[in-house]
Amino acid sequence: RKEVEQDPGPFNVPEGATVAFNCTYSNSASQSFFWYRQDCRKEPKLLMSVYSSGNEDGRFTAQLNRASQYISLLIRDSKLSDSATYLCVVNRAGTASKLTFGTGTRLQVTL
Amino acid sequence: EAQVTQNPRYLITVTGKKLTVTCSQNMNHEYMSWYRQDPGLGLRQIYYSMNVEVTDKGDVPEGYKVSRKEKRNFPLILESPSPNQTSLYFCASSLSWIQGAQETQYFGPGTRLLVL
Repeated sequence: RKEVEQDPGPFNVPEGATVAFNCTYSNSASQSFFWYRQDCRKEPKLLMSVYSSGNEDGRFTAQLNRASQYISLLIRDSKLSDSATYLCVVNRAGTASKLTFGTGTRLQVTL
Repeated sequence: EAQVTQNPRYLITVTGKKLTVTCSQNMNHEYMSWYRQDPGLGLRQIYYSMNVEVTDKGDVPEGYKVSRKEKRNFPLILESPSPNQTSLYFCASSLSWIQGAQETQYFGPGTRLLVL
């Protein structure tokens, strides 16, 4: 089983739609979780960290479910500019210095 | 401007010809790391460094070397490149590493390497 798994998509949604991605992780001792955004073959950029209580940043909401070992990202009112690949990132248990990246979920927002 | 820079951005080389990809950050970050990204495999860590003169292997270190003589620089060295090292390489840095802490990694723009 992969350490971090994501549905590769693509998710094709119209502008204004709400879309959600899930990401599962295998190591129950993992402690830090992030969502990064990557535009086509450019560098990944941090979108948001994921906190135990869940957190929101504008149209983006991230949640962590430790019992089921997944994190989620919800995007409301999708914009064309949200089209990108969203990477789920988890730290290795016991090694905050090592991050494991999912292969990403591609989102395409259309008119 | 706070940034991570990499050079070169694009490189075509031949098997066996030693090359170095430079990485530099101007944010006084302690932690630096190299990743390679391949289709269907995501980003995989090659080497990382927690501070000057402190380096360690990531998941795919074979065929690569690194050094960290200064805090700002973390070059990636391919002593004898092979075609399976054709990839997109990213350097990243973060302020520090702390057990359980959530540290943002800042990535360089990437280096596309083709080994013939």
